Amino acid sequence: GESVGLHLPTLSVQEGDNSIINCAYSNSASDYFIWYKQESGKGPQFIIDIRSNMDKRQGQRVTVLLNKTVKHLSLQIAATQPGDSAVYFCAEKPLDSSYKLIFGSGTRLLVRP
Amino acid sequence: DTEVTQTPKHLVMGMTNKKSLKCEQHMGHRAMYWYKQKAKKPPELMFVYSYEKLSINESVPSRFSPECPNSSLLNLHLHALQPEDSALYLCASSQGLAGAEQYFGPGTRLTVT
Repeated sequence: GESVGLHLPTLSVQEGDNSIINCAYSNSASDYFIWYKQESGKGPQFIIDIRSNMDKRQGQRVTVLLNKTVKHLSLQIAATQPGDSAVYFCAEKPLDSSYKLIFGSGTRLLVRP
Repeated sequence: DTEVTQTPKHLVMGMTNKKSLKCEQHMGHRAMYWYKQKAKKPPELMFVYSYEKLSINESVPSRFSPECPNSSLLNLHLHALQPEDSALYLCASSQGLAGAEQYFGPGTRLTVT
């Protein structure tokens, strides 16, 4: 079946360092990808998105990279802060779906002070 | 207003109870969603409403019954639930079709005893 990011790794980084969170997706027909941040006890919060006709998009302190050749998505966070500690989910929207997002299994980011 | 609100925050119910979860958004979004999230897992789509009509039912058991009274409100009626239905229930909304960003509410933490 379809799957995005089968594993749930934990990434531990020093405050101030850059973080890179990776996600592998399996549906080559997906045309839209999103990164969400979920803090403990809260719902997922949109961080940044990218369409399949792009390979890079930058936001405030965050950059998303899309490599369609190897079906890989990454989220880069510059100058990681304690408030960035959360679980990060990638999600993809298959081309034949108007609404459905397929979520990856998530990565926990821990920021050491 | 970019907020999706959900009530209650927490709910404990017995297997014979009937209860309802409520979700509200005032962003003018025409698509609304129910997700179920187990601990340390990604959100799983349950239902999608588009323009107040049920668009997607992800083979959810009939003990979960969604309702969309109007474009701002989404309910999830619960009846005869099982302990394994205990989870965080998330509501989301989006502007419409084709990759629109989904805004999530904080969720209702449901415990079935």
